[in-house]
Amino acid sequence: QKEVEQNSGPLSVPEGAIASLNCTYSDRVSQSFFWYRQYSGKSPELIMSIYSNGDKEDGRFTAQLNKASQYVSLLIRDSQPSDSATYLCAVKVTGTASKLTFGTGTRLQVTL
Amino acid sequence: SAVISQKPSRDICQRGTSLTIQCQVDSQVTMMFWYRQQPGQSLTLIATANQGSEATYESGFVIDKFPISRPNLTFSTLTVSNMSPEDSSIYLCSVDPGAETQYFGPGTRLLVL
Repeated sequence: QKEVEQNSGPLSVPEGAIASLNCTYSDRVSQSFFWYRQYSGKSPELIMSIYSNGDKEDGRFTAQLNKASQYVSLLIRDSQPSDSATYLCAVKVTGTASKLTFGTGTRLQVTL
Repeated sequence: SAVISQKPSRDICQRGTSLTIQCQVDSQVTMMFWYRQQPGQSLTLIATANQGSEATYESGFVIDKFPISRPNLTFSTLTVSNMSPEDSSIYLCSVDPGAETQYFGPGTRLLVL
């Protein structure tokens, strides 16, 4: 079983809609969770971090964490074509000295 | 956050040769990381490089193939040794500036012929 799993997509949403990206993880002692955005040919860029159960909002982005169900999600409201990218979920496990484990990423396409 | 630069940004190399990639950060950081991202794949951690100690390598990566230096708190190098076409990848360094998260450099795109 992969440690961090994401649907590879592509996830296609129309402009202005809500994009919902999901990530599940296997290690119950995972403590920190991150979403990175990666445009084609570019390096990953940190969008959101979340540490506690519940929702965390930053502009059009909302991260949701449910440790009991071992999933973390990212909602993008009012999706724009510029949001088209691959979104990587990353998990830090307790006691691993900041080491992150990445999922394979979900490719998001926002259509006009 | 941190401003990170990498050199070279890209290179084309012949098999059997070695390439050293440099990573420079604009502030002192304890922890630096080296990743590989093969075409169409996610990021795989190669090693963690802490200043003043030997790098810690992940399963499947060895020091003879990927020697790492960390001479100070703002700089690190990764060498890809005795390259083969399978080493063609993007190599990324990242830093943790103490906020328990990581920021990535722009990457080095390597093609081995």
